[in-house]
Amino acid sequence: GESVGLHLPTLSVQEGDNSIINCAYSNSASDYFIWYKQESGKGPQFIIDIRSNMDKRQGQRVTVLLNKTVKHLSLQIAATQPGDSAVYFCAEGEGGKLIFGQGTELSVKP
Amino acid sequence: DSGVTQTPKHLITATGQRVTLRCSPRSGDLSVYWYQQSLDQGLQFLIQYYNGEERAKGNILERFSAQQFPDLHSELNLSSLELGDSALYFCASSRQGTNSPLHFGNGTRLTVT
Repeated sequence: GESVGLHLPTLSVQEGDNSIINCAYSNSASDYFIWYKQESGKGPQFIIDIRSNMDKRQGQRVTVLLNKTVKHLSLQIAATQPGDSAVYFCAEGEGGKLIFGQGTELSVKP
Repeated sequence: DSGVTQTPKHLITATGQRVTLRCSPRSGDLSVYWYQQSLDQGLQFLIQYYNGEERAKGNILERFSAQQFPDLHSELNLSSLELGDSALYFCASSRQGTNSPLHFGNGTRLTVT
């Protein structure tokens, strides 16, 4: 029979622009959040994490924002490059395990 | 390279069979996690081990089992395989058991025919 793939939200940006990928999490008791990047044929790659006692954390070209009031997490990528094209997953830490969101596909146009 | 090694990379087998997937964690990591990634389910947590002991369990079927050995490598055993078990199986490891980044291997692609 026909197989149905996961319909990921897609974000398309121009090279050099900033990208913002959003994520809503479900468990108000989660105290750890993390972003991963997954390229085709590879495992998820750690980008940046944040604990619940913070609302912002910056890395190299990336910033994670956490809004616990509305249970929202975002990943900002500055000066997006073609190599940033991938699927991005947020995950929340719950009792030692990471629960992943469905992912967003980022497409960077040169 | 994450430092997590999974073997084999690809596995093709028939329904009803049993397979074993192997994972070597990063050096120094005590915790090992198994995830299943299929097209229609995303990344699903299966099970976690910490220093040889089961720490957390997710949506792991009774036909599946895992263990972590004294040298910290882990195996995921899948039995009575069904077509729907076809997926990517990822192993990840971390230093601690909670609130630390997981580092993923490149997965084993299982195809059940």
